[in-house]
Amino acid sequence: DAGVIQSPRHEVTEMGQEVTLRCKPISGHDYLFWYRQTMMRGLELLIYFNNNVPIDDSGMPEDRFSAKMPNASFSTLKIQPSEPRDSAVYFCASSYVRGLYTGELFFGEGSRLTVL
Amino acid sequence: GEDVEQSLFLSVREGDSSVINCTYTDSSSTYLYWYKQEPGAGLQLLTYIFSNMDMKQDQRLTVLLNKKDKHLSLRIADTQTGDSAIYFCAEKTGGTSYGKLTFGQGTILTVHP
Repeated sequence: DAGVIQSPRHEVTEMGQEVTLRCKPISGHDYLFWYRQTMMRGLELLIYFNNNVPIDDSGMPEDRFSAKMPNASFSTLKIQPSEPRDSAVYFCASSYVRGLYTGELFFGEGSRLTVL
Repeated sequence: GEDVEQSLFLSVREGDSSVINCTYTDSSSTYLYWYKQEPGAGLQLLTYIFSNMDMKQDQRLTVLLNKKDKHLSLRIADTQTGDSAIYFCAEKTGGTSYGKLTFGQGTILTVHP
């Protein structure tokens, strides 16, 4: 399997622009997570989905952030309008509820966002 | 509530043992994890321990869990320069929020030749 695939790997944009980050989870995984990593706040869970349904979005910082999962193989995280404080590395991860039931997360390589 | 804390930095000499410590607050944690993040990459699971265990050994890695003190540690024997990375402790609690892991801030391990 190719693992969790994220795009773009790097994005530089100007304040006020819309940003869309994309994620393809591992085939067969039931759960998809979006995390944000910054030096100041570490790794924060933004939202997670189970079977394409958002379960917990309490970590989404503001209404400017939205996430969708239209099908089992694709998810987007959108920021509109973007602000400099949104600069961070955004990780997508997927997981499954089978087998040993350990809840291990499989992370993508991240999308590094810089908002000028 | 859920909170996981780690020291931010650890520096060791190649060949020595490294011990990375973590404390957590949620006594209902079911699994505890150690993840490794290499530069420019995502997090990768190193090892995990179930909450009814005290110790788990996996090659050069030894995980110790003290449930009474809510303290978790990761020992890396014979540390190599390739072990230089950020190490994250994480907990998974039970209940309805399946799969929701809470991560610590990460410990930056630097291994000197």
